[in-house]
Amino acid sequence: RKEVEQDPGPFNVPEGATVAFNCTYSNSASQSFFWYRQDCRKEPKLLMSVYSSGNEDGRFTAQLNRASQYISLLIRDSKLSDSATYLCVVRNTNAGKSTFGDGTTLTVKP
Amino acid sequence: ETGVTQSPTHLIKTRGQQVTLRCSSQSGHNTVSWYQQALGQGPQFIFQYYREEENGRGNFPPRFSGLQFPNYSSELNVNALELDDSALYLCASSLRLAGTGELFFGEGSRLTVL
Repeated sequence: RKEVEQDPGPFNVPEGATVAFNCTYSNSASQSFFWYRQDCRKEPKLLMSVYSSGNEDGRFTAQLNRASQYISLLIRDSKLSDSATYLCVVRNTNAGKSTFGDGTTLTVKP
Repeated sequence: ETGVTQSPTHLIKTRGQQVTLRCSSQSGHNTVSWYQQALGQGPQFIFQYYREEENGRGNFPPRFSGLQFPNYSSELNVNALELDDSALYLCASSLRLAGTGELFFGEGSRLTVL
């Protein structure tokens, strides 16, 4: 079993749709959590950090449930430019290690 | 742009050869980590360097080795290349060893092993 698991998708949604991605992690020592975005054949870029209280950045909302070891990302009012692969990342700073999921691919269609 | 530069951007090697990939971190960043990303997968953590010392290593064999220099730039060396080493190699720099420092990635070095 992988340390970080994501539904690979693909998710194909129309513009304006709301879409949710889920991620589970197995290492309870994980301390920090992130969502990164990766466009085709490009490097990953930070989308947002994920905090225990949940956090929002415009159309994006991230949630963390430490008890269930579960992270989510909600995208509202999807835009064509949201089409990308979304990577869930957990970090164990004591081990100096960041673990990425394999990503969930989103395609937003007109 | 992130300010993290990697070289070379593309290279082709044959099985058994050795390769060195280079990374210049963003100004002021003292931590560099390396990742291998195979097609259709997420980046896999190879190792991390902080102030010239290895600080954390993933499940990669010893033929994957690295260095960090006093200016915080870094090298990834892979010996005895295998076909499965074909991948995108990503370097990421960050400002802090601990805490929630964002990873800033370079555009990667795409290695093909024939």
